Amino acid sequence: DTAVSQTPKYLVTQMGNDKSIKCEQNLGHDTMYWYKQDSKKFLKIMFSYNNKELIINETVPNRFSPKSPDKAHLNLHINSLELGDSAVYFCASSQGTGDLYGYTFGSGTRLTVV
Amino acid sequence: GENVEQHPSTLSVQEGDSAVIKCTYSDSASNYFPWYKQELGKRPQLIIDIRSNVGEKKDQRIAVTLNKTAKHFSLHITETQPEDSAVYFCAAFSPGTYKYIFGTGTRLKVLA
Repeated sequence: DTAVSQTPKYLVTQMGNDKSIKCEQNLGHDTMYWYKQDSKKFLKIMFSYNNKELIINETVPNRFSPKSPDKAHLNLHINSLELGDSAVYFCASSQGTGDLYGYTFGSGTRLTVV
Repeated sequence: GENVEQHPSTLSVQEGDSAVIKCTYSDSASNYFPWYKQELGKRPQLIIDIRSNVGEKKDQRIAVTLNKTAKHFSLHITETQPEDSAVYFCAAFSPGTYKYIFGTGTRLKVLA
């Protein structure tokens, strides 16, 4: 039983398209996150939701919009995709705000914009 | 803003030797320091963590030390094995911002 699952695992799309990545966790965690990992492996936080409420919103282009319909789901919608959006996007979840037991990461979505 | 520096960026060791990865954080309020291991093409996974009220923690071949005064923490892997080869990330949690700041990663290669 996968704890944090993301779909799709791979996404290849053309510049200018709009796409969504979905994330679901079955751990009963309160907080979910989106991270972007670039080609140099840097892990940068994008967004965090705690019980459906946005608590972290980093300096991310407003083409990126997270949506949390309930505390078990956090989706990421990206409008007007650009070449620089190519990266691996990781969803993660944690109990509380993350300083209890660390994160559980999803398996990642490799986004390639061509 | 908050920052975590991690060194070295790459590390090659012979099987059986020890490996040490060091991190320095900037936010003195940081109170929780996890380490993640990311194997090629896989997700980062938590391998060990330490809280600010503890100086050292050990779990079999891995240990983490924390020096709050110097704002340093380190990962020590003893008796390294080829399956330890991966990218390792340190992170520091800032309670004021609810954010983890990740280090830039260390690619560890254990040579058989």
